[in-house]
Amino acid sequence: KQEVTQIPAALSVPEGENLVLNCSFTDSAIYNLQWFRQDPGKGLTSLLLIQSSQREQTSGRLNASLDKSSGRSTLYIAASQPGDSATYLCAVRPEIQGAQKLVFGQGTRLTINP
Amino acid sequence: DTEVTQTPKHLVMGMTNKKSLKCEQHMGHRAMYWYKQKAKKPPELMFVYSYEKLSINESVPSRFSPECPNSSLLNLHLHALQPEDSALYLCASSQDARREQFFGPGTRLTVL
Repeated sequence: KQEVTQIPAALSVPEGENLVLNCSFTDSAIYNLQWFRQDPGKGLTSLLLIQSSQREQTSGRLNASLDKSSGRSTLYIAASQPGDSATYLCAVRPEIQGAQKLVFGQGTRLTINP
Repeated sequence: DTEVTQTPKHLVMGMTNKKSLKCEQHMGHRAMYWYKQKAKKPPELMFVYSYEKLSINESVPSRFSPECPNSSLLNLHLHALQPEDSALYLCASSQDARREQFFGPGTRLTVL
């Protein structure tokens, strides 16, 4: 059974720092991995999707990497801003034929201090 | 347009009420999802519709009844809910069931 872990559960850093959020998964047989952010009481916003054949994806100040063989993904945020404060969730889609479910981690709650 | 809309934003209902949550997308997506999310937890999948057919029901109690009237709309009918059903209900859609998922803003449901 696929399990996804995000460490740390919470992170607080001063504005302007570069930071890395970690995601690990137990079964390397994945179709893709998706990173989301969620503001309190709101829906999830898709940040980046990495297909299993890809090593990384970039969008603005965000860069996500994927090492499928070791079961790890990282989300790199450059020059952090207070507006980046949110909970960040990673989710994997298993490579089982017909797999339609995302398996979510518990999330990392990020606070950027001005 | 990568928008999924949900109505209402907030809903308070008694345990004997019948209500419905609505979700709409106009991205031509053929897979739509209902999730339930409790505070400080990740979303839990409830139902998946693929090409307007129910393809996954995650053993959800029958007091939750999904409906997909057409490829753009998804409803969740609620009846005889319990206080523990209070949560944020999220709708999502994707081009097909293996592609990037886009979420709506959610409906905050309170059951009294």
